[in-house]
Amino acid sequence: NAGVTQTPKFQVLKTGQSMTLQCAQDMNHEYMSWYRQDPGMGLRLIHYSVGAGITDQGEVPNGYNVSRSTTEDFPLRLLSAAPSQTSVYFCASSLTSGQSYNEQFFGPGTRLTVL
Amino acid sequence: QQPVQSPQAVILREGEDAVINCSSSKALYSVHWYRQKHGEAPVFLMILLKGGEQKGHDKISASFNEKKQQSSLYLTASQLSYSGTYFCGTTSPRSSNTGKLIFGQGTTLQVKP
Repeated sequence: NAGVTQTPKFQVLKTGQSMTLQCAQDMNHEYMSWYRQDPGMGLRLIHYSVGAGITDQGEVPNGYNVSRSTTEDFPLRLLSAAPSQTSVYFCASSLTSGQSYNEQFFGPGTRLTVL
Repeated sequence: QQPVQSPQAVILREGEDAVINCSSSKALYSVHWYRQKHGEAPVFLMILLKGGEQKGHDKISASFNEKKQQSSLYLTASQLSYSGTYFCGTTSPRSSNTGKLIFGQGTTLQVKP
């Protein structure tokens, strides 16, 4: 198993550009989520999904869109990038959405810089 | 709302003990602990579900006081490999059926020889 994979690893954007951060898992996990990590702020939840076709907002959803058309993939879209979105983005997944006792597996992260 | 971790940072010598606290203003259903090495992804340590539950993982253990809405992570006889940033993540009773996990701001632990 590859686990949770994220692409790209690094990305530089100009203000106003759009892009999609890719996340995929091959563990048949129902629950997937996106976090951003900024110094001193910890990991903040952007969006999450409890299964294919179901998504919901986290703590900091503004400026980001998600969709979940398959169990395996959970892409994160930045429609119009802003410097405030400069961050490290982590995708995570866990086995079932109805249980709070499942560990989350994190991808290696995407480091995004918006100029 | 994010849980609050304390202290923000701690420096230890090898063999010393440390405690990291995690508290929430809201009712908690579960508490998760993760460790992140510099430049890497967070890695799971343990989950605590019930009030008063304690768990151990080698020389790292944790407790969860449901009534006080607090959890503590205990690192005993610290090793150089314990260095990193520790995060607590919490779920609430309202989100217990989704697994929605909210993390604290992290505690940076540095163990020196």
